[in-house]
Amino acid sequence: DAMVIQNPRYQVTQFGKPVTLSCSQTLNHNVMYWYQQKSSQAPKLLFHYYDKDFNNEADTPDNFQSRRPNTSFCFLDIRSPGLGDAAMYLCATSRDPAGPYEQYFGPGTRLTVT
Amino acid sequence: GIQVEQSPPDLILQEGANSTLRCNFSDSVNNLQWFHQNPWGQLINLFYIPSGTKQNGRLSATTVATERYSLLYISSSQTTDSGVYFCAVERRREAAGNKLTFGGGTRVLVKP
Repeated sequence: DAMVIQNPRYQVTQFGKPVTLSCSQTLNHNVMYWYQQKSSQAPKLLFHYYDKDFNNEADTPDNFQSRRPNTSFCFLDIRSPGLGDAAMYLCATSRDPAGPYEQYFGPGTRLTVT
Repeated sequence: GIQVEQSPPDLILQEGANSTLRCNFSDSVNNLQWFHQNPWGQLINLFYIPSGTKQNGRLSATTVATERYSLLYISSSQTTDSGVYFCAVERRREAAGNKLTFGGGTRVLVKP
């Protein structure tokens, strides 16, 4: 089945130690998104790629970076994780620009910062 | 930006009961999706419904775009329906790719 895959499902990192989360998709969608979801809150968009074009949200901290080396893969890099970056990180995809605009989400990576 | 409000924030149901969740939004939308977030954190697509009515098994949804609200109906609830239900909308395409804004969610607990 076509899907969005995230690895690892659980990640523990130390305060200040760089960490990379990965996302892959077999849907062949043009757009890939990264969301951050903190405990008991709604998901919040960090940035997205339309093909190779990167679109950052205005309030996304500089500590968060992303790479998309090809259509199938997208990475989230946290350069110096703080305790406040502990969260669930969700990757999503959508087919664009012709639509439909439905987004499909992966299972998420739960990040713990010690 | 667009505001998305969901009600009620919490809902406790007895197994077999019916319920209605509501999503109000503050602007015209191109996209509206309902999700169920399971206890493991995965967001499961329930409906893509910018307008009209859809049904999928015991779940159905209606969006009245002109009045800026959507409703999710759960009939004959089961314990597996427990979790958080999110409504998410896209106001307009500000860049290539749609930007979903999520409501605060409705936390549902179905008791056996």
